[in-house]
Amino acid sequence: DTEVTQTPKHLVMGMTNKKSLKCEQHMGHRAMYWYKQKAKKPPELMFVYSYEKLSINESVPSRFSPECPNSSLLNLHLHALQPEDSALYLCASSKRLAGAYSTDTQYFGPGTRLTVL
Amino acid sequence: DAKTTQPTSMDCAEGRAANLPCNHSTISGNEYVYWYRQIHSQGPQYIIHGLKNNETNEMASLIITEDRKSSTLILPHATLRDTAVYYCIVRVAGQAGTALIFGKGTTLSVSS
Repeated sequence: DTEVTQTPKHLVMGMTNKKSLKCEQHMGHRAMYWYKQKAKKPPELMFVYSYEKLSINESVPSRFSPECPNSSLLNLHLHALQPEDSALYLCASSKRLAGAYSTDTQYFGPGTRLTVL
Repeated sequence: DAKTTQPTSMDCAEGRAANLPCNHSTISGNEYVYWYRQIHSQGPQYIIHGLKNNETNEMASLIITEDRKSSTLILPHATLRDTAVYYCIVRVAGQAGTALIFGKGTTLSVSS
């Protein structure tokens, strides 16, 4: 099973709302990732978790708050978003946080399509 | 910045081989070349990766030049379902490990 699931598939929220995106994998992977993808652009890395600890934050605004409550679950909490935050949010996982010598493959979920009004 | 250069778009007839080039002239000796693809509005899908030798799996073949400065992804018999954006990625080493850094990719259009 190489499946990463993401919920919800679509989310529409106002700028004052608080919402959360959820990502789950049951492959025993210990590295999990959040990417943001704007229309017609490549995915951009946001956060990386390794063994439930935040390893990389790519200078993401604080209105995005990641959380990794256990090794199978990754959340992205959203608060006071702007319309320009509308995008496809992708979650991925890999066996571990790879180094340059590692060949660990990243598996991606289908994404959550977020619209901020 | 992405360490790879790919053509913006390519066309291929159904049933023909699709050859997608990638230039990575600054690749280091311990960096792998990865290929992913993204079908419209779906998550990226892993295709293949390699270091020095040519690689083949059930989806594609990867040909890496001897100097490792470029590579070609080959889809031997393209189908309409292979229409996607194809990303060539070189793993970037970092203090805390690495994650995939995507470039702009090649949009492959397969037509009947």
